[in-house]
Amino acid sequence: QSVLTQPPSASGTPGQRVTISCSGSSSSIGSNAVNWYQQLPGTAPKLLIYSNNQRPSGVPDRFSGSKSGTSASLAISGLQSEDEADYYCAAWDDSLNGWVFGGGTKLTVL
Amino acid sequence: QVQLQESGPGLVKPSGTLSLTCAVSGGSISSGNWWSWVRQSPGKGLEWIGEIYHSGSTNYNVSLKSRVSISVDKSKNQFSLKLSSVTAADTAVYYCARGSIAAQVYYFDYWGQGTLVTVSS
Repeated sequence: QSVLTQPPSASGTPGQRVTISCSGSSSSIGSNAVNWYQQLPGTAPKLLIYSNNQRPSGVPDRFSGSKSGTSASLAISGLQSEDEADYYCAAWDDSLNGWVFGGGTKLTVL
Repeated sequence: QVQLQESGPGLVKPSGTLSLTCAVSGGSISSGNWWSWVRQSPGKGLEWIGEIYHSGSTNYNVSLKSRVSISVDKSKNQFSLKLSSVTAADTAVYYCARGSIAAQVYYFDYWGQGTLVTVSS
């Protein structure tokens, strides 16, 4: 069981906006920034969002992140077929003194 | 462009020790980064194993701490993972990743392609 909680699945049609939630605790998300990773089928994870809402160079502005209290969200607008992937949230946990990940959300573009 | 490449045996016997190395190219392992190992069991999510700084400082996942050791070889620009007393539950794709910092926030910005390690007799 993952320390951070994500819904196992999400879906949307092309052009739609979808959001993926990530719930943690006071020692993880409540105290530290959240990063999001995208994992396309058969590939390594890729940094998508860091520091709650910052996009690395090359990541489309269709992807955005937010954080409030002990929860965070990833939003994808203008959904495209190539967005079909697994998405993971991650944060440092002060109590565990280590990184914790969400269980991952499989996004399906219908 | 920084690149990370995992290497090591793809098959380990139960109760044995899993040993992997991550070679870093395009950058120095002695830069201000932490270097991590992350694994993913088949069909499952990501699990952080541990990390090391070039000074040798380490942090480990508490659930694996008794079995894990991560070391760094600055002369070869690489770092390594050893996981002892393995069982079938340790079968996974093992990734190495670089932890970078910006505005006091850490994140994994470069990942290796991953290597599948199967624990089986």
